[in-house]
This record gives sequence, structure tokens and C-alpha cells, in this order.
Amino acid sequence: EVHLVESGGDLVKPGGSLRLSCAASGFAFSNAWMNWVRQAPGKGLEWIGHIRSQTDGGTADHAAPLKGRFAISRDDSKNMLYLQMNSLKTDDTAVYYCIPPGGSYWGQGTLVTVSS
Amino acid sequence: QAVVTQEPSLTVSPGGTVTLTCGSSTGAVTSGHYAYWIQQEPGQAPRTLIYDTNNKHSWTPARFSGSLLGGKAVLTLSGAQREDEAEYYCLLSYVGSRVFGGGTKLTVL
Repeated sequence: EVHLVESGGDLVKPGGSLRLSCAASGFAFSNAWMNWVRQAPGKGLEWIGHIRSQTDGGTADHAAPLKGRFAISRDDSKNMLYLQMNSLKTDDTAVYYCIPPGGSYWGQGTLVTVSS
Repeated sequence: QAVVTQEPSLTVSPGGTVTLTCGSSTGAVTSGHYAYWIQQEPGQAPRTLIYDTNNKHSWTPARFSGSLLGGKAVLTLSGAQREDEAEYYCLLSYVGSRVFGGGTKLTVL
């Protein structure tokens, strides 16, 4: 059974950094292209980016507005996905989800609050 | 960045049929956009109903179906039930990116 647990969300000041983690189980994580998606309070879903499997190059693409501030990485030995977020802004306040291929699982996400 | 468009809101009667559409600013939506349809009930986490245009998950009710029609991705709900009242998002894939639509608030009334 596919299972994903996001963690690392916190209250952080504008300009700060945060690294989110996603622990995956129940599927062939190393073969999977993984996504990060977020949802600001009362707003719609926003795609943050994805990272390819190592066999497909292991590179990441990020949404244009977030390039340079956000970076996705993975550790297949630990079945872990990461999202490094820098220069955080109040607009980055959201619930962050990691999503496997096919969107086959949505967890509860992890809440990031950017506020002074 | 491409813009994905959805109807902001739709209303369907219980037992009725409704079609939600998903268009792309870059042109016709094709199978190469691997359209997803994601449902979010009030206060709940999202869940994917349809992926890769027309594939269902085990939890997807049979009354939902995905297709392409008129250059758009389409989610058809046949035999609407009150529990289908929710926000529905489509997600399209492009080279190097994916983009969500703004969502359709579906009311069953």
C-alpha cells in the first residue's frame, strides 16, 4: 500500500529557510518521478516541481515562479524526498504535499507558515 | 508558463450529469498532457480520481470518467450524488513542468 508522510513544516520568518521531508513506502520509490504540490489557505493547488528517477536522469524541474528559491532532491537509499526552501516569503505559507506517480496517494501534508 | 482553465463553478442536480472541462493556453489538450483530475471535499485532503486522461484508481467511483473532447480534457460525472459536492482540479503536464487549473467548485443541488 502506497504511503507517504510529509514532515518538517514549521513557523519561519520571512527570508528564512526550511527543508521538508517526505518518507515513502509501499511502492518502488527509486523508479518513481515524485512531485511536490502546495495549497495556500483558502486557495487552489499549485505544482512546485518534480524529480525524475535516477534511471531517467535524477534531475528536477521546478515551477518557474519558484526557480532559484526551491530545490527538490531525493535519497533513494532511504526512500526519502526533500524540498529545500530558501528566501521564504509570506506567500509561501501553505500545506505542502509530496505526490507519487498517478497521484495515487495524498497524505495530510505539512504546514509551512511564513510570518514575522 | 502555460495557463490551465476550468469553469469556476458548476451546479448539477442529484442524479444528473455534468461535464467539467480543462483547457490549455498553449492549444488543444492531448493525451500527451496526461491530464489528472483531483477532487477535494471541504476540509479534506485532495485525492486523485483520474490520471493520464482516463485511468481510474481503485477508489474512483464508477460514475466518474475522464476523456478528451473538443481540445480539452473532460471529467464527466454521471448520476451525481450529494457527496460529489467538492472542488475539482485538473493538472496538465508540459515539457519540464506541470500546471494546475484554478479548480471548479461543483455544487449538487
